[in-house]
Formats: sequence, structure tokens, C-alpha cells
Amino acid sequence: AQRVTQPEKLLSVFKGAPVELKCNYSYSGSPELFWYVQYSRQRLQLLLRHISRESIKGFTADLNKGETSFHLKKPFAQEEDSAMYYCALSGTGANSKLTFGKGITLSVRP
Amino acid sequence: DSGVTQTPKHLITATGQRVTLRCSPRSGDLSVYWYQQSLDQGLQFLIHYYNGEERAKGNILERFSAQQFPDLHSELNLSSLELGDSALYFCASSAPLYNNEQFFGPGTRLTVL
Repeated sequence: AQRVTQPEKLLSVFKGAPVELKCNYSYSGSPELFWYVQYSRQRLQLLLRHISRESIKGFTADLNKGETSFHLKKPFAQEEDSAMYYCALSGTGANSKLTFGKGITLSVRP
Repeated sequence: DSGVTQTPKHLITATGQRVTLRCSPRSGDLSVYWYQQSLDQGLQFLIHYYNGEERAKGNILERFSAQQFPDLHSELNLSSLELGDSALYFCASSAPLYNNEQFFGPGTRLTVL
């Protein structure tokens, strides 16, 4: 079975503070990991996928297969980063559906 | 804008009724996925279609069904609606069959009274 765990529901930080949103996964194989962001219940937007290894809006995430984690990090949070963040996993081949974590609300205070 | 469109944006209906949600994928995308987002269950995968054929099913109730038409748009049919079916329903599309990058539509917010 595939599972994504986001252990925290809410993270509140001040502007300029570092951010780390945690994500752990369970999958028997080589999964693909993603972070999606959702602003005010709008559509989900892809923020990062682990295979591209890009940095989007200052966010980075490294896949740690040993710890089965894919934590999202940003060194200096901005107010516009306030949103809901979802970690998601996709399997290989025909198992292309996304399995999402419960999500975490990031609130960045001025 | 990801290019995926969904209609209607909002739908308010009564228990026992039947509704149809529509999704048009990005131009060229052959895969359509449906997801349900609710406060208690979070985001749950419902069903995946590729080029008109059902490819995978998730936690989709028997009262729900979907299809993908030759022009690649998809419809999600929800019948005998219950209060608990109130949720945001998203569709997503992707290009090649096993390319896992999915682009989401704006969602349809269903309220069952």
C-alpha cells in the first residue's frame, strides 16, 4: 500500500524565518514524489517534483530514500507563501494515481 | 492557468439527486484523473481514464461513475446524493500514459442539502 504522512497540520512562522514542511512516505518500489500548493481552496499547482530537482519560488525538497522522506524547505519565508501544501506520491507504470498527504497550512506572519 | 477546465464551478442540489460534473483536459493530454477533496478525508483519488478507457479505480462509490468521450473530455456522474458527498471535485490531466505530472482544474464545489 502507498501512504503519505504529513505529521503537522499547521505551521506558523514570521516573515524571513526558515520553513520546513515534513513529508514521509511508504511505498514498496521507486515512487515519484511531488509537492503541490493550494491557495485559498483554488486549484492545486505543482510546486516541485523530485526528479526535476528544481527550486521553485525558493523552495527545495530532497528525496531521502533511507528515511523515506521528502521534506520541503525554504530558507526565508514570505507572506505570499501562506497556503496549503500537499505532499503526494505516484507509483510507477500503470500506478500513476496521486496519493496525497493530509496537507499542512503554512501561515507566514508579517 | 493549467489549461484544464471544469464545469460547473458550483453546484447546489438536494439529497437523492443526480449530478454530472464535466472536465476538459489540456490540449493533447489523453489521461484524466478525478479526485475528491473533503474536510474529513482530504484529497482522495477516484478514477483514471486514458484515451477513453478506464485505467484505475480508487475509493469511488458505486453510486459514482465516470466516462471519457472520444473528444477526451470526461464526466463524473454522482447519483443518489448524500450529505457526505459535499466536497470539491477536481480533475487533472497528464500527457503520456505513464507521465506522472498532473495538471489540475479549478474544481467543482458540490453542496448537497
